[in-house]
Amino acid sequence: EIVLTQSPATLSLSPGERATLSCRASQSVSSSLGWYQQKPGQAPRLLIYDASNRATGIPARFSGSGSGTDFTLTISSLETEDFAVYYCQQRNNWPRTFGQGTKVEIK
Amino acid sequence: EVQLLESGGGLIQPGGSLRLSCAASGFTFSDYAMSWVRQAPGKGLEWVSSIPAGGRATYYADSVKGRFAVSRDNSRNTLFLQMSSLRAEDTAVYHCVGGAAVTNYFFEYWGQGTLVAVSS
Repeated sequence: EIVLTQSPATLSLSPGERATLSCRASQSVSSSLGWYQQKPGQAPRLLIYDASNRATGIPARFSGSGSGTDFTLTISSLETEDFAVYYCQQRNNWPRTFGQGTKVEIK
Repeated sequence: EVQLLESGGGLIQPGGSLRLSCAASGFTFSDYAMSWVRQAPGKGLEWVSSIPAGGRATYYADSVKGRFAVSRDNSRNTLFLQMSSLRAEDTAVYHCVGGAAVTNYFFEYWGQGTLVAVSS
């Protein structure tokens, strides 16, 4: 099973700041990595697929990069609606696995 | 508008069985691989099971293999999860999830979920 490790666990930032979230895989997942955003009481939402492709309707301030074992989700300038929990997920191997999540909170 | 509406959750005793259903609308269900993803209270996301668009293969997390069975009825746009030998650690909100080739089968569409609580 591929283990995805996200860091940091919590990121405390102010609106307008840049957020950089990391996801590291225990073995290569090529570019088969996605990012999801989850707000309290809501279902997750797909942000990024195949490491760097924005899903439909996702603002350009969200970007993804990386391949192999190291991936990054960047939010260029945080809006108030971006404070949430973010998960990475790989679909290169079965079983599909998620990271444990990074909470982006208001400082 | 895309909708995934789960039903069938509830309180069940350990060792019991439940069947979850997910009614899909607003997209071509038969083009989408479908999955179940669960989230225990206050915890992260855990993939449970997947079934491709054609339904000829099924995939399971080790934690549910042999106890859960996923199926789909493309004529009724419905996904199912038959759960048996339920354990306390199966307690979670179960989300029905869909993905297609356009997003390389990542989890594009999510239902709000149905809560399964396993307790005596």
